[in-house]
Order: sequence, then structure tokens, then C-alpha cells
Amino acid sequence: NAGVMQNPRHLVRRRGQEARLRCSPMKGHSHVYWYRQLPEEGLKFMVYLQKENIIDESGMPKERFSAEFPKEGPSILRIQQVVRGDSAAYFCASSPSDRGGQFFGPGTRLTVL
Amino acid sequence: ELKVEQNPLFLSMQEGKNYTIYCNYSTTSDRLYWYRQDPGKSLESLFVLLSNGAVKQEGRLMASLDTKARLSTLHITAAVHDLSATYFCAGAPDSWGKLQFGAGTQVVVTP
Repeated sequence: NAGVMQNPRHLVRRRGQEARLRCSPMKGHSHVYWYRQLPEEGLKFMVYLQKENIIDESGMPKERFSAEFPKEGPSILRIQQVVRGDSAAYFCASSPSDRGGQFFGPGTRLTVL
Repeated sequence: ELKVEQNPLFLSMQEGKNYTIYCNYSTTSDRLYWYRQDPGKSLESLFVLLSNGAVKQEGRLMASLDTKARLSTLHITAAVHDLSATYFCAGAPDSWGKLQFGAGTQVVVTP
């Protein structure tokens, strides 16, 4: 059973470009969470999704950030018009239920030049 | 809003000695998690603590939860170099879903 997969592992963008981060949850997991980790800091919750639904987006910046988890395919975190402050590691976690343990992917490290 | 505070934030350990990391949280948390993170790597789940008085042990690590004191501890017995990593605790502010992480405790074990 493959773990949580994220791609790309490293992403470099120039200011103003778009970044798309993908997350494939573990098999049988329908709950996906996105977290952001700034250098030398803990993880900050961004958004919680189930298939085709956003359950909690209280941690998402109001502008430029969006997330989806379609019926088919991976969950996608999209950042439009990236700025240097968006440089961080973005981790996806999946869970079989809303109260189950969360299993983390390897992360995508975004660098904005 | 649930706030999670860890201390210390940095811990230099000598091999063979015992140490404790503390995790305080501000409001009710349904459950408490401990994770380990190696530099540049993802988070590895160590323990999930679900109820008051819960104690779990794995190798040299033991975690406990006191919901009345809103305190969890991670105890390290006879530290070894392989335990060098950053340890995070996380609480669940809602009955479902999202985790609120502490800032992490960076552990360095030296001979």
C-alpha cells in the first residue's frame, strides 16, 4: 500500500507565476489535509477536503490560494501569482476518516525567486 | 482557538541520559499526536493519545496525556544518536480533522 504521494517534490517559480501542487492520498483514504511549513516553524493548517467538498478552509489565505479534491484524480493546491513569502514546504496528509490518524506525504518544497 | 506550546524548543541530549519534552495546550483537545521530523523530510507519526491517562511506549519513547492539566509529555529513555530530530506535538481543536501543531522541539543527541 503506497503512502501519500506528492508531486512535484521541488518546485521553483518566479514571482507572478502559478504553482500547482498535487497530492494523491493513501488508498482507501478520502480525507485530505494541506499544511504549510515555513522555515524553522511548525506546520500550519490550510484546508481540509473530502471528495468534491471543501470541509474547512479556515487556514487558507483569502486571495490567490485555492484547493480542490475532485471525484477522480489527486487533490490540488493552487497558488496564483506567487510571491516570495509563499516559499515554504507544503505537506499533504490523508486519513481514512475525520478522526483517524493523519499520514503525511513527503512534501513539496516551493521556492519563489 | 487551540494553542499548543512545546518546551523546550531546543534540547541537547547526552547519550544514555533521560529527557522529557512538554506539550501544553490551551483548550479541550479531542486527541493529541506526536510526530517526528528529520531535516528535509516529512512527518512520521509516533503516537496518538485519545484519552486522559493514556500512555503509549515505543522503544525508547513514551508519551502520556493528562487532559485535566492539558499536558502531554514525551519521555526519552537513554537517548541515542538516532533520536536526533525535531519532535512535534499536535492537538485537534475540533471533533474532526485539522491538527494544530506546536512549534517543535529540536533534539540533538551527542556522545
